[in-house]
Amino acid sequence: QVQLQESGPGLVKPSQTLSLTCTVSGGSISSGSYYWSWIRQPAGKGLEWIGRIYTSGSTNYNPSLKSRVTISVDTSKNQFSLKLSSVTAADTAVYYCAREALSSSFPRYYYGMDVWGQGTTVTVSS
Amino acid sequence: DIQMTQSPSSLSASVGDRVTITCQASQDISNYLNWYQQKPGKAPKLLIYDASNLETGVPSRFSGSGSGTDFTFTISSLQPEDIATYYCQQYDNLMVTFGPGTKVDIK
Repeated sequence: QVQLQESGPGLVKPSQTLSLTCTVSGGSISSGSYYWSWIRQPAGKGLEWIGRIYTSGSTNYNPSLKSRVTISVDTSKNQFSLKLSSVTAADTAVYYCAREALSSSFPRYYYGMDVWGQGTTVTVSS
Repeated sequence: DIQMTQSPSSLSASVGDRVTITCQASQDISNYLNWYQQKPGKAPKLLIYDASNLETGVPSRFSGSGSGTDFTFTISSLQPEDIATYYCQQYDNLMVTFGPGTKVDIK
């Protein structure tokens, strides 16, 4: 079955760019009508959706983060990546990648995030 | 932006009790509402999609209902392994937001 694994630095300095990669195993990132998403969760707090990408390269971002977020995909490596620029302490969180089942064209559907990575903790500190 | 509210924010119940959590959207989201379970230190797990459809492999004691703006999540008979935080999640026009969560523990 499909599994996701996040990787990247656990410590990022303020004002720098956070970079994470999610590696998809057990299946092709290009198969099926799936999008690939990033979600984060500050310690003791709720979940915040960051954005998603389709293997065509089409992206959607949370408006509150859009100016600082870039999500990209590398189908040859079965990976997708997150870059978050100009980070501050408020960006300290556990970052998850997830598979999302949705169709934005007829027939529309949204079946949620059915596969998640284990999460990786990123701390923003000097 | 669509805002999601959940109630209660926390609850304590006995093993075998029926537990109900409500989620309300700030505007009509049809049935684009999912429920997740998150145990401490773990990633969320999808339990219910499309408001009322049980994800494969999820025990039948979990159920969901509702449409439009008002949704309900029910555990028919609370088990010790159900101790977790439960989140609703909406989808509208390519955007996603999660509810603030409901922490469930055993009395």
